[in-house]
Amino acid sequence: AQTVTQSQPEMSVQEAETVTLSCTYDTSENNYYLFWYKQPPSRQMILVIRQEAYKQQNATENRFSVNFQKAAKSFSLKISDSQLGDTAMYFCAFAYSGNTPLVFGKGTRLSVIA
Amino acid sequence: SAVISQKPSRDICQRGTSLTIQCQVDSQVTMMFWYRQQPGQSLTLIATANQGSEATYESGFVIDKFPISRPNLTFSTLTVSNMSPEDSSIYLCSVEGQTSGNTIYFGEGSWLTVV
Repeated sequence: AQTVTQSQPEMSVQEAETVTLSCTYDTSENNYYLFWYKQPPSRQMILVIRQEAYKQQNATENRFSVNFQKAAKSFSLKISDSQLGDTAMYFCAFAYSGNTPLVFGKGTRLSVIA
Repeated sequence: SAVISQKPSRDICQRGTSLTIQCQVDSQVTMMFWYRQQPGQSLTLIATANQGSEATYESGFVIDKFPISRPNLTFSTLTVSNMSPEDSSIYLCSVEGQTSGNTIYFGEGSWLTVV
């Protein structure tokens, strides 16, 4: 069964700086999808970014980008120009497709400091 | 994307009672997933709900405790039965986005506190 590991329970970053959140996963399959979700204090799960395993190009969404290393089974999230509103729990997740359930890591609590 | 509405957003429940959470999607979807997030924890899958068939439950979750209905392709309910304080959690439904395939979206969540 696939597993997702986030080794950083908590991180902090100064406003306007860059921070990288780590995620590794384990699967024996070749095709799958990886996600980063943000959960602010409101508790809603907000999709930050998605990566298809068959794509070599790293996904980017404005200030958010990933470093996807398929051979190493690594999927880190880089947040550039950190803003106070980025303060949240960040979850890394894995799925084989949109019609299969997500497997989540334990999350990283990110605090952006003014 | 997908617009997913969950009700209630928050509730305080008495021990021993049951509460039904509703999940409404703005488009037809094949699968709906229900997750539980206990305080300070990550999300755990409760069950997968496919329209027209019984839900498939994960290990540790049983139908008597978490009955699920899926009457059509846009709606599902999860009932938390005979609640105890250990059931205090956020319950979330999720679906695949129809315009952006293989992208999974969540409802706002239902935050239940059992007293």
